[in-house]
Order: sequence, then C-alpha cells, then structure tokens
Amino acid sequence: LAKTTQPISMDSYEGQEVNITCSHNNIATNDYITWYQQFPSQGPRFIIQGYKTKVTNEVASLFIPADRKSSTLSLPRVSLSDTAVYYCLVGVPYGGATNKLIFGTGTLLAVQP
Amino acid sequence: EPEVTQTPSHQVTQMGQEVILRCVPISNHLYFYWYRQILGQKVEFLVSFYNNEISEKSEIFDDQFSVERPDGSNFTLKIRSTKLEDSAMYFCANQRENEQYFGPGTRLTVT
Repeated sequence: LAKTTQPISMDSYEGQEVNITCSHNNIATNDYITWYQQFPSQGPRFIIQGYKTKVTNEVASLFIPADRKSSTLSLPRVSLSDTAVYYCLVGVPYGGATNKLIFGTGTLLAVQP
Repeated sequence: EPEVTQTPSHQVTQMGQEVILRCVPISNHLYFYWYRQILGQKVEFLVSFYNNEISEKSEIFDDQFSVERPDGSNFTLKIRSTKLEDSAMYFCANQRENEQYFGPGTRLTVT
C-alpha cells in the first residue's frame, strides 16, 4: 500500500481558502486518492475522491497532477466548523471483498475567527 | 441520508470482562468493517466482513476478538477478555461503491 505524507497541522482563519497537500510517491496504477474528515470523538467522514486531474463537489476540490505523486485538498472559505483532522488515503476503493482503509496521522486543521 | 448506528456510545468494563459492541449498518451495504482509535492515535483497521465471513483481519484482531451478524442485520464485535490496552474508540463502517460510512463509535474504557 502506498504511503502518504501530509503536514501534521495547519492554521487558518475563517473565510480563507485552505490547501492541504499530500505526498504519495509510490501510488499504484489502480490506486485512487481519497480524503476523509474526522471531528473529535466522531467517525471519519468521506469528503472527496479522485484518480487524476481535478474533482470538485459541494464541499471541496481535489487537485491531482499528471504524475499523481501528490494531491491537494482545497477547502474554500473555511469556517470554524471545518476544524478537524483531514486524512489523505491511497488505495483501490471498490471491487474487492475488502477495501480496508489505512489511515495516517492526518492533518489537524485549526480554523480561528 | 441513511446512517450507521452504534451502541452503546460508551462502555466501561473491568479488565478480563467480555464486551460486545453493536452496530446497525445501512441496509443493502454488504461490506462491513471494524476500526479502532486509541486516544490521540491513528484510526486502525481491525477486520473486514463480507458475505457472512471475515475477509481480512489485522494483527490487532487476535483470538480475543470475534465478529458476527447474529440476526442478519446487526453486526457485532466481541472482545472476550478485555485488557487495559483495549481502551479506545471502536468504529463500525459500511462500504457502498467507493465510500465507507462510519458510525459514531463506541468509547470503550477498560479499568
């Protein structure tokens, strides 16, 4: 399984755009990049997933360069409620009898007023 | 939106006791998982379950752990003889298509 590296923590202010970058140099051809969010004492929650180029949904955007060795989660205009840990995961997310998720330490985003 | 539910939300038990953590998965989701998260640490995979049998288990999931679907809907994690180091949040998850849906977790405290 590809190893991911992301910053341990980031600080931001309300209304700013936040970009969290994840490195995954050993990503395999069939791997997708998925981001989850976790609030304290809650289960992780799926945010966004992509294979290449750019993906956007109502919550975030995901930018993946052509070599796919890194990815950037972009959160537009963060609010205090976006304070959470954000995890970057790499793997095949479907199709098998098991698609276990391997979590790293994640990035703790702290949004201040 | 359908949700995964877990009971109890908090369980306190004495070392050596058996505990059963329960999960009600989203209906029609066929892949089930248990994860745990020790306070301040990473979310760790324990076991995956598909078609009424274990698909994969981690090194953490030793003989003290077991999973089953006792009535075809609920999904349980049993720890036979709890240890202090079993204190953690335990999350149940379902997979549908390319997403995993996590429950709110059970906080297990072993004293």
